[in-house]
Amino acid sequence: RKEVEQDPGPFNVPEGATVAFNCTYSNSASQSFFWYRQDCRKEPKLLMSVYSSGNEDGRFTAQLNRASQYISLLIRDSKLSDSATYLCVVNPRAGGTSYGKLTFGQGTILTVHP
Amino acid sequence: DTAVSQTPKYLVTQMGNDKSIKCEQNLGHDTMYWYKQDSKKFLKIMFSYNNKELIINETVPNRFSPKSPDKAHLNLHINSLELGDSAVYFCASSPLRRQETQYFGPGTRLLVL
Repeated sequence: RKEVEQDPGPFNVPEGATVAFNCTYSNSASQSFFWYRQDCRKEPKLLMSVYSSGNEDGRFTAQLNRASQYISLLIRDSKLSDSATYLCVVNPRAGGTSYGKLTFGQGTILTVHP
Repeated sequence: DTAVSQTPKYLVTQMGNDKSIKCEQNLGHDTMYWYKQDSKKFLKIMFSYNNKELIINETVPNRFSPKSPDKAHLNLHINSLELGDSAVYFCASSPLRRQETQYFGPGTRLLVL
């Protein structure tokens, strides 16, 4: 089983649609969680952290369910510029030499069309 | 004012050659990383250095040797290149106390023929 699993998509949605991505992780001791965004042929960039209480940043909402080891990202009112690959990222442990060792999912491809 | 830069951007070379990729960050971060993104888009950590000290060394062939002359630079040297080394290599950096927040360079696209 992969450490971080995502539906690779692709998701093709019209502008203005709401779209949700899911991610599961296998290590129950994982400490912190993130969504990164990677545009085509570009580097990954941090989109947002994911907290147990859920968090929102404009049109983006991230949720974490530790019991189910499940992370989600909801994008409302999709824009053309949201087209990208969305990477689910897990930090396995805090402290020690594994602190910065992020585990990336394969990514979910989103295409927003006019 | 590029935060994390890598050179070269593209690298096409023959099997068996030795090549280096350079990385520099001007963010004042203490920790730097090398990642490999293969054709299936999986991004996997290879190495991390904290203030010039090797911290993470994943299961990477010893043909790959990172070198950190100072905390702003982390270079990657690859000996005896193989076809399977073809990938995009990303350098990244992070602050010491927020190592989960990583800033990536633009990537080096390596093609081994």
